[in-house]
Amino acid sequence: GAGVSQSPRYKVTKRGQDVALRCDPISGHVSLYWYRQALGQGPEFLTYFNYEAQQDKSGLPNDRFSAERPEGSISTLTIQRTEQRDSAMYRCASSLEYLAGNSDTQYFGPGTRLTVL
Amino acid sequence: AQKITQTQPGMFVQEKEAVTLDCTYDTSDQSYGLFWYKQPSSGEMIFLIYQGSYDEQNATEGRYSLNFQKARKSANLVISASQLGDSAMYFCAMREVNDYKLSFGAGTTVTVRA
Repeated sequence: GAGVSQSPRYKVTKRGQDVALRCDPISGHVSLYWYRQALGQGPEFLTYFNYEAQQDKSGLPNDRFSAERPEGSISTLTIQRTEQRDSAMYRCASSLEYLAGNSDTQYFGPGTRLTVL
Repeated sequence: AQKITQTQPGMFVQEKEAVTLDCTYDTSDQSYGLFWYKQPSSGEMIFLIYQGSYDEQNATEGRYSLNFQKARKSANLVISASQLGDSAMYFCAMREVNDYKLSFGAGTTVTVRA
């Protein structure tokens, strides 16, 4: 079946503009996660959804970052008034259900490479 | 505090040889999961193998195996019979009990030489 998809794959924007990054999880996956990955580093957690409920947004750096998953499927990560320090790879992952236990595997999308000029 | 430590930033391995990637972790939980992911130059993040803290046997998945030493808190990945396509960055990650997020290490870059 299809994996996690993300769009756009690349986004170049000017400082101060808003951007919206989209994630389409694997069909049937209840849990959805957003991570941010700096070059040469491992991904860092941003936020987590269980169905449409945003259960944890503790990793969002500041209030310019927000995310939603209104129908429990597709999710959008929005960054308002972008800054150069926001440049990174933004990755979405989905899993069947985290309550299934530690073995609940997260499958990652290809990521959106964001560059803020 | 860093939860996952990968001390080898880069490694070279000859084709057809085995390579071991080190990973140590830090947790006070008794129940946790350990994962390895591969990130080739194309940028995808590919799940390779999982080890549960209560699993008595080391996990294996094709050419990948996990050398799990619970007392030492290490979960090293072994890739046997390396292939050119194994050249990539490899990340170790942990998920603690009652948590959902993965904590990742800094990664190890593997380059397979013909």
